Amino acid sequence: DGGITQSPKYLFRKEGQNVTLSCEQNLNHDAMYWYRQDPGQGLRLIYYSQIVNDFQKGDIAEGYSVSREKKESFPLTVTSAQKNPTAFYLCASSITARQSQETQYFGPGTRLLVL
Amino acid sequence: AQSVAQPEDQVNVAEGNPLTVKCTYSVSGNPYLFWYVQYPNRGLQFLLKYITGDNLVKGSYGFEAEFNKSQTSFHLKKPSALVSDSALYFCAVRLYGSSNTGKLIFGQGTTLQVKP
Repeated sequence: DGGITQSPKYLFRKEGQNVTLSCEQNLNHDAMYWYRQDPGQGLRLIYYSQIVNDFQKGDIAEGYSVSREKKESFPLTVTSAQKNPTAFYLCASSITARQSQETQYFGPGTRLLVL
Repeated sequence: AQSVAQPEDQVNVAEGNPLTVKCTYSVSGNPYLFWYVQYPNRGLQFLLKYITGDNLVKGSYGFEAEFNKSQTSFHLKKPSALVSDSALYFCAVRLYGSSNTGKLIFGQGTTLQVKP
C-alpha cells in the first residue's frame, strides 16, 4: 500500500448525507483513480485524473464527485444521489495516465456502510 | 467490448503443490496485462505485468505468469504454494494506446485457498 493513504478506514453514511473519502499520495504521481469494489464484481472505475485541476468520469460516476486541487490529493464525495453506496472504495495512482503500461498502485481502501 | 474473465471463483491447492489461477481476455488491440493480489480488507498489491517481449513474466513473491496470445490467456502460476498465498487475485488488462482513458479492466477475482 506504501505511499498512498486513504481515510477513514470505515465510514458510515446516513440517508441523504454526503460523505467524503480522502486519498493522499506522496509518490509524485500525476494520475489518480477511484475504484469501487463489490463482491464478485471486480473493480469498477468511478473517476480518474491525469493531472491537477483535471478529472474525467469513469464507468460508474453517477452519484459521485471529485476534485483535484493538489497533485497529492484526490478526494471522492459520495452524494445522496448514490442510492447504493455500500462498497469498498479504492484509490490508486500511477506516474502518468499517458503511458498504457504504467502500473497503478493502490491504497488500503475505505469501507463505506449505510446506516 | 473489452473484458477479462477469471473462470474460477475459487482455487484450492495443498501447500507445496504448484498453483495456477486462470485469466483470459477479450480486447480489440494489443493488451497490457496485470496481476494483483488482495488480502482481506486491504488494498490491491501489484504482482506482475506483461508489456512486451518474453511471454513468461516473473513477479513478486515467486509468482510468474505466461502470456499466450493465441489463447488470449495470462495465467498466474507458482511452483510451490504457501499458506500465506491464500488471498483474492485479480487479473486486469489495459489497451495499448488507451492512455486517454486511464482505465484498467478487471476480472471478477479468484479466491486462492492454500491448505496446510
